[in-house]
Amino acid sequence: EAGVTQFPSHSVIEKGQTVTLRCDPISGHDNLYWYRRVMGKEIKFLLHFVKESKQDESGMPNNRFLAERTGGTYSTLKVQPAELEDSGVYFCASSPSSDTQYFGPGTRLTVT
Amino acid sequence: QKEVEQDPGPLSVPEGAIVSLNCTYSNSAFQYFMWYRQYSRKGPELLMYTYSSGNKEDGRFTAQVDKSSKYISLFIRDSQPSDSATYLCAMSASGNDMRFGAGTRLTVKP
Repeated sequence: EAGVTQFPSHSVIEKGQTVTLRCDPISGHDNLYWYRRVMGKEIKFLLHFVKESKQDESGMPNNRFLAERTGGTYSTLKVQPAELEDSGVYFCASSPSSDTQYFGPGTRLTVT
Repeated sequence: QKEVEQDPGPLSVPEGAIVSLNCTYSNSAFQYFMWYRQYSRKGPELLMYTYSSGNKEDGRFTAQVDKSSKYISLFIRDSQPSDSATYLCAMSASGNDMRFGAGTRLTVKP
């Protein structure tokens, strides 16, 4: 069974540009989560989808971040416009129910 | 005060040693407790999951949760060089928005 996949693995963009991260969850997992780890800090929750609906987006830092999950399958996280402090590793996780979460390899975002 | 406190280490032990990793937390509503292992440049890999208090054993790994003390532990017996990684504790009240510790970097020396 394929695990959670994320694309791209690494992205380098300039401040002010737009970046879109993609996450493909494990097939059949209705729950999809986004997390972020910035340099020197712990992994922090961003938001939670159940199928295509946003269940909890309390961790989204500001309105420059937009997450979507059209059709309840893959999800995208768009950052527009990117700022220097957005640099970090963005993780996606999926779960069949509200407990164990399986993480993808992450996307390393560098904003210069 | 952080919701989840975890000593970042680094921790270095000889092969075969018993490793003890710990986290403390402040939110009494937490009832889902996880330990993840993360190798360099990889995503966190779920190692152990415990609901509420108690012990759970899986091979060389044992997870303990003491909700009265707000303290969780992961023990690794007969540690191997392949166990060298960063270990992250994570916990949640609902099972969804997990709160992570900073991670403890472990090195097991042959």
